[in-house]
Amino acid sequence: AQTVTQSQPEMSVQEAETVTLSCTYDTSESDYYLFWYKQPPSRQMILVIRQEAYKQQNATENRFSVNFQKAAKSFSLKISDSQLGDAAMYFCAYSDNNDMRFGAGTRLTVKP
Amino acid sequence: EAGVAQSPRYKIIEKRQSVAFWCNPISGHATLYWYQQILGQGPKLLIQFQNNGVVDDSQLPKDRFSAERLKGVDSTLKIQPAKLEDSAVYLCASSSWTGGPEAFFGQGTRLTVV
Repeated sequence: AQTVTQSQPEMSVQEAETVTLSCTYDTSESDYYLFWYKQPPSRQMILVIRQEAYKQQNATENRFSVNFQKAAKSFSLKISDSQLGDAAMYFCAYSDNNDMRFGAGTRLTVKP
Repeated sequence: EAGVAQSPRYKIIEKRQSVAFWCNPISGHATLYWYQQILGQGPKLLIQFQNNGVVDDSQLPKDRFSAERLKGVDSTLKIQPAKLEDSAVYLCASSSWTGGPEAFFGQGTRLTVV
């Protein structure tokens, strides 16, 4: 079964600085998608960014970008110019034709 | 476009009682997921539907949990009888096809079993 591992239970960043959240996954599939979701205290899961495995170019959404290393099965999220509103749980997720699996999450704190 | 609707938002029950959660996915989304999220953990997939057929229910505790998706639209997740360890947030999500675009989530139902 596919597994998703987030090795950083908690991370902290100063407002306006940059932080990188790590994620690794295990799969034997060649075609799949990877996602980063944000879950604020309201618990609504919000999609931050998505990466298709067949694309070599790393996805970017405004202040959010990923470093996708397919051979290493690594998918990290970089948040630039961190804002107070970025504070939340961040989940890495993997999806293929079978199902969608999540990592354990990283709690991000943003210090003013 | 309306999002994924879930009800109720909160539920408190005593152990051994039964409870049901309802989910209405985004219109046209064929894939529907139910996740269990225990406090401090990531969502754990309980069951996945493609239209009204079950794709994956390998992690559903079938002795007490059941789910159905009539007519391939709304879905209901039931727990009978509930145990203390079932206390969690139950998230429903939908996507337009399996393994394709992202899943869209509802706000979840927080279940407390006392």
